[in-house]
Amino acid sequence: DTAVSQTPKYLVTQMGNDKSIKCEQNLGHDTMYWYKQDSKKFLKIMFSYNNKELIINETVPNRFSPKSPDKAHLNLHINSLELGDSAVYFCASSQGTQPGQPQHFGDGTRLSIL
Amino acid sequence: AQKVTQAQTEISVVEKEDVTLDCVYETRDTTYYLFWYKQPPSGELVFLIRRNSFDEQNEISGRYSWNFQKSTSSFNFTITASQVVDSAVYFCALGNTGTASKLTFGTGTRLQVTL
Repeated sequence: DTAVSQTPKYLVTQMGNDKSIKCEQNLGHDTMYWYKQDSKKFLKIMFSYNNKELIINETVPNRFSPKSPDKAHLNLHINSLELGDSAVYFCASSQGTQPGQPQHFGDGTRLSIL
Repeated sequence: AQKVTQAQTEISVVEKEDVTLDCVYETRDTTYYLFWYKQPPSGELVFLIRRNSFDEQNEISGRYSWNFQKSTSSFNFTITASQVVDSAVYFCALGNTGTASKLTFGTGTRLQVTL
C-alpha cells in the first residue's frame, strides 16, 4: 500500500563515510524529487528527475549524487559525509512535470552524522 | 524569486478553538500554485490542498478551510473546532511554472492543540 517508500528510516554514521538512501514509488508517477529538511524544519529541494532525466539540480555539493535506474526509483548517494549533512531527507513523486501537480512524500530518512 | 512567509512560528490553542494559519507568498509568475502540507509528530509530510492562481474560490473540507486572496498574496488556512490530532507543523508551499514543478516551502507553523 505504501505509495512512496524510503529506506532506511534512520541512518547513523560517522563523518567521512559514504551512504545511500533508496526511494521507490508505486504511484505510476514519472517525476521524483529529493528534499532536505534541516534542524529548523526548513524544507528545500535538492534534485528532481523526470523519466530518469535530471531536471532540477539546486546548489548542492557534488558529494550528493542522485541516481534514477527507472522512473519508479530515485536513490541518493552521499560521499564523504559531513556534520552539516545531518538532516531529514524526503523523497517525493508527482505525475508529470506540469506545474501544480501535488507531490507525494515518503516518510523521510533521518540522517545523523557523528 | 519565489518566497513563502509563514510569520507564525508556533501557535497554541485549546481544543475546540478555531485557529488560522497565515501564509503570504511572493512570485513574479502570473500562473502559480499554492499548497498546504501537514507534518505530524511522526514526521511524514501529508498533502492537504492545492490551489491555482486563477481560482480564488475559498475551499472547505470538513473542519478545514482555505482563503486565497490574490490582492494580498495570501493563502490562509483555518481549522475549525481544533482537535488534539491537529497538532502538527503546517507548511505552505508555492509551485512555480518552470520546467519542473519545484516547491518553495515556508518555514512552517507549529500548531499545538491541548485539552
